[in-house]
Amino acid sequence: DTGVSQDPRHKITKRGQNVTFRCDPISEHNRLYWYRQTLGQGPEFLTYFQNEAQLEKSRLLSDRFSAERPKGSFSTLEIQRTEQGDSAMYLCASSPGRINQPQHFGDGTRLSIL
Amino acid sequence: KQEVTQIPAALSVPEGENLVLNCSFTDSAIYNLQWFRQDPGKGLTSLLLIQSSQREQTSGRLNASLDKSSGRSTLYIAASQPGDSATYLCAALNRREPQGGSEKLVFGKGTKLTVNP
Repeated sequence: DTGVSQDPRHKITKRGQNVTFRCDPISEHNRLYWYRQTLGQGPEFLTYFQNEAQLEKSRLLSDRFSAERPKGSFSTLEIQRTEQGDSAMYLCASSPGRINQPQHFGDGTRLSIL
Repeated sequence: KQEVTQIPAALSVPEGENLVLNCSFTDSAIYNLQWFRQDPGKGLTSLLLIQSSQREQTSGRLNASLDKSSGRSTLYIAASQPGDSATYLCAALNRREPQGGSEKLVFGKGTKLTVNP
């Protein structure tokens, strides 16, 4: 169990640029979640995969956001035409797929929009 | 819509003190209630998970309770240490909405705990 890995840890970019984040879940965890956390707030749910299928997207996820999980392994979250309001910590979590098993979180990617 | 509230927002205690963190939720239709710890600039570490059918869970110096009928959970930390300083988050795992979708974790804003030596 090597834990959930996220890359990069920090990303600074100019407004209007596209960014992509990667999440490697714990192996054999078939559920993968993306959350967004702003300063002083708890994480907010963005989207969820079971294996390679994206089963739900939050209304927080505008058309500029897209997430994929090819082959049900790692996942990517892309933000197009970034805006100031996208500045946040983006957290990834995975779980084995049984309801009463905790989600395991990565250390997140902190995005700063200049 | 589930709403989770944590009180207080911040707490400062001397080392060795026992303390209680509070969490309340508005919708009792949950699978479980989870407590997490978050250190600055880091992700979340799962501390305790209480299933909806359970009343409490214990791990070392930590004890979490759940009262679904009143929509409350508490995290009790015994004999606090400076290393316990962190933000503690509670989250409710909601049952599926009638129209489908995933079981979502809904988080409170957290309690920032400082344990002074």
